[in-house]
Amino acid sequence: KQEVTQIPAALSVPEGENLVLNCSFTDSAIYNLQWFRQDPGKGLTSLLLIQSSQREQTSGRLNASLDKSSGRSTLYIAASQPGDSATYLCAGNQAGTALIFGKGTTLSVSS
Amino acid sequence: DAGVIQSPRHEVTEMGQEVTLRCKPISGHNSLFWYRQTMMRGLELLIYFNNNVPIDDSGMPEDRFSAKMPNASFSTLKIQPSEPRDSAVYFCASSFIVGTGRGNGYTFGSGTRLTVV
Repeated sequence: KQEVTQIPAALSVPEGENLVLNCSFTDSAIYNLQWFRQDPGKGLTSLLLIQSSQREQTSGRLNASLDKSSGRSTLYIAASQPGDSATYLCAGNQAGTALIFGKGTTLSVSS
Repeated sequence: DAGVIQSPRHEVTEMGQEVTLRCKPISGHNSLFWYRQTMMRGLELLIYFNNNVPIDDSGMPEDRFSAKMPNASFSTLKIQPSEPRDSAVYFCASSFIVGTGRGNGYTFGSGTRLTVV
């Protein structure tokens, strides 16, 4: 059964720092990978999608990569801001299956 | 596009009552997913529909839970009878998926916060 681990579970940084969130899958045969952001009491907002033929995606200050040989993904956030404070969720699926989620990394950026 | 629409946003019910959660996916999406989120277990997949047909319902906790998708624009998740341990946030998501999984990513609704007392 596929399991997703996100490290660290929580992270506190001062504004302006660059940071990396990690995600790993027990089965490295990941077809699609998607990173989401969730604010307290809110729904999930999609940040980046890495599809089967891709290895990396970038949007603004965010960059996500996927190493299919190891089943590991990283989300890089450049020049963090207080508005980046939220929980970040990693999710992946194998061919023909639905996304399975990690438990998230809760990020707090202080000004 | 209005996105994925879920109703109600909040539901408080007494143990033993029937609860029905509703979802309208994004027009043109062919796949719909129901997830449940709790502090202890995180986000768990309950059921996945493709072209209105249930593909994977292995996450449905027990017979008290049922889901239907009568057409491409509407789905329901029903709990009968409800129990306090069903209290959680229930999310619906939709996507357009072809073949074994190539698609445009999932879009989530705002969720229904269910409290069973």
